[in-house]
Order: sequence, then C-alpha cells, then structure tokens
Amino acid sequence: GAVVSQHPSWVICKSGTSVKIECRSLDFQATTMFWYRQFPKQSLMLMATSNEGSKATYEQGVEKDKFLINHASLTLSTLTVTSAHPEDSSFYICSARTGSGDGYTFGSGTRLTVV
Amino acid sequence: QKEVEQDPGPLSVPEGAIVSLNCTYSNSAFQYFMWYRQYSRKGPELLMYTYSSGNKEDGRFTAQVDKSSKYISLFIRDSQPSDSATYLCAVSSGGSYIPTFGRGTSLIVHP
Repeated sequence: GAVVSQHPSWVICKSGTSVKIECRSLDFQATTMFWYRQFPKQSLMLMATSNEGSKATYEQGVEKDKFLINHASLTLSTLTVTSAHPEDSSFYICSARTGSGDGYTFGSGTRLTVV
Repeated sequence: QKEVEQDPGPLSVPEGAIVSLNCTYSNSAFQYFMWYRQYSRKGPELLMYTYSSGNKEDGRFTAQVDKSSKYISLFIRDSQPSDSATYLCAVSSGGSYIPTFGRGTSLIVHP
C-alpha cells in the first residue's frame, strides 16, 4: 500500500533554533499533503494544507511565519519550526490522500521536544 | 459543541472480549466515516472506511454508521493484546475530504 515516510521520528532542540521535518510519499505522487499537530491524549489538529508548487493554506490560529511549509515536488513536503520554543513541543504528523475519498495515509510522526 | 465527540477512555478489557468504541458527530453533511488505529508514538493507520449509513466488516472489525442519530461505532471481536492502541474516529463531507478527528479512545486489552 501507499507509504508516507516521515523523519526524523524524534528530535530535541534548543530554544531559538529551527527544526525541519520531512515527509515523502514513497510510491505515489502527493499533490497535497496535510500537517497535523497532536498533544498528549488530544485529537489531531490540522495545521496546514501543503500544495505542490504553491503556497500552503494555514488553519486559523497557526502562525505561517513560524511553521514554514514547503512542497517543492510531488513526493516531498517539509515543515520547518522556526525559532522553536518549549510550547512548540508536540507530536507532528503529515498525511496524504492516496485515493478518491478512501482515507489518508499518515507518516509515523515526529516528536519534537524544545528545551 | 465539538464536531466530533469521542470518549478518551481508557477502556480496559480482558483478552477475547468484544470491544465497542463510539463517536458522535454534529454535522449531518458528513458522508464519509473512518476509524484509525494509532499506536503510541506512531502515526494513525486507517482501519475502516465507510460511506453513508450501514455496516462494514473486515475480519474482527465491524464499523457501523447510524446517520439518523449521528452515531458511529467500531466493534472489535475476540480482542487481542495487540489491539491495545488509541482508536480515532474521523468524519468528512463529500465536498471536502479533509477529515475531522475525534480525540481518540485509548484501548487496553490485558491478557
């Protein structure tokens, strides 16, 4: 089946630094990818929709200058958390739709800890 | 009112039990209903996908949708310790396929 590869799986960084998270669709082309954030025991919260070759669409309340999304090819989308702070510590997950209305394939997630 | 309500649990059952997981939703426009399983520190994986009302069975898993009461269920028969995970329901409309997720129910199946 379709696979979305996400890395790193976990990262620890210092406050004020930037972290890049990559998501690749391995055996299909993903014109659209979605980025989610998940706090412990909470639901997935959609942060932004990433479209290949165009600007991402951010959900209300998500700072686009802090969470930079790039979708330069049909198989790669990146999320960069800029000037990270401890409150940015969370589980970040990407996903892509792999067919017409038949659900989404998710990456394995990235646990970000900002110290 | 949240669009999708789901009891976070945890739900603890003995091995072999029948498990019932449920969600309610508020928007009658939702047409697609999904269940995802998420193991600790992993991304969700699609378990079941249904369109409109009715039942769908896949092995030990049965998804049920009752649109009249805006209620969706996932049943797991002969539960196994390997079923221990968080189960998230998700709904989406026909016009937009971006799903809205419940907060997930933590299931623990003990031997």
